Amino acid sequence: EDQVTQSPEALRLQEGESSSLNCSYTVSGLRGLFWYRQDPGKGPEFLFTLYSAGEEKEKERLKATLTKKESFLHITAPKPEDSATYLCAVHSGNTPLVFGKGTRLSVIA
Amino acid sequence: NAGVTQTPKFQVLKTGQSMTLQCAQDMNHEYMSWYRQDPGMGLRLIHYSVGAGITDQGEVPNGYNVSRSTTEDFPLRLLSAAPSQTSVYFCAIRQEATGELFFGEGSRLTVL
Repeated sequence: EDQVTQSPEALRLQEGESSSLNCSYTVSGLRGLFWYRQDPGKGPEFLFTLYSAGEEKEKERLKATLTKKESFLHITAPKPEDSATYLCAVHSGNTPLVFGKGTRLSVIA
Repeated sequence: NAGVTQTPKFQVLKTGQSMTLQCAQDMNHEYMSWYRQDPGMGLRLIHYSVGAGITDQGEVPNGYNVSRSTTEDFPLRLLSAAPSQTSVYFCAIRQEATGELFFGEGSRLTVL
């Protein structure tokens, strides 16, 4: 059974204070690992897809990396508008995506 | 959100009432799904469909019913609402080539 664990549950950063969010996973045959951002009262918004270990993708202040056991979402010099819940999900075989419970990020000015 | 429309956005029901949450897409994707999101529980899959006429159960299907008569629409039915079904419901479509899910804005349901 596919499993996804995200840590920490919540993270509070000062503006400009870089940090990383973790997504650990257990799957049989990874087809893709996905990162989403969710703002309060909104649906999750797609950020990145990673397909194989060693792959990295960047978007503005965010960079996602992937190993065989985990993925990191690095946030460089965050701003208050980066505050959101970040969700990780994995896709394996023909099964539906399995989501982690998310990390709630707060960036304080 | 990427051509996924959910209605209604908000609904209050009494225990035992029935209702249907609507989901429509304009992107012609085969895969559609329903999730519920509760505090501390994350997104949990209720039902999904890989094409018209085909549906399957997800992690938490009890109390919900779905059908898929067209590619565009995937309604979620609550036959007899219970307070445990108070939640935010999201419909999502999947891009076949990449596996990426695209979500609607959500429907917030309260069952009294």
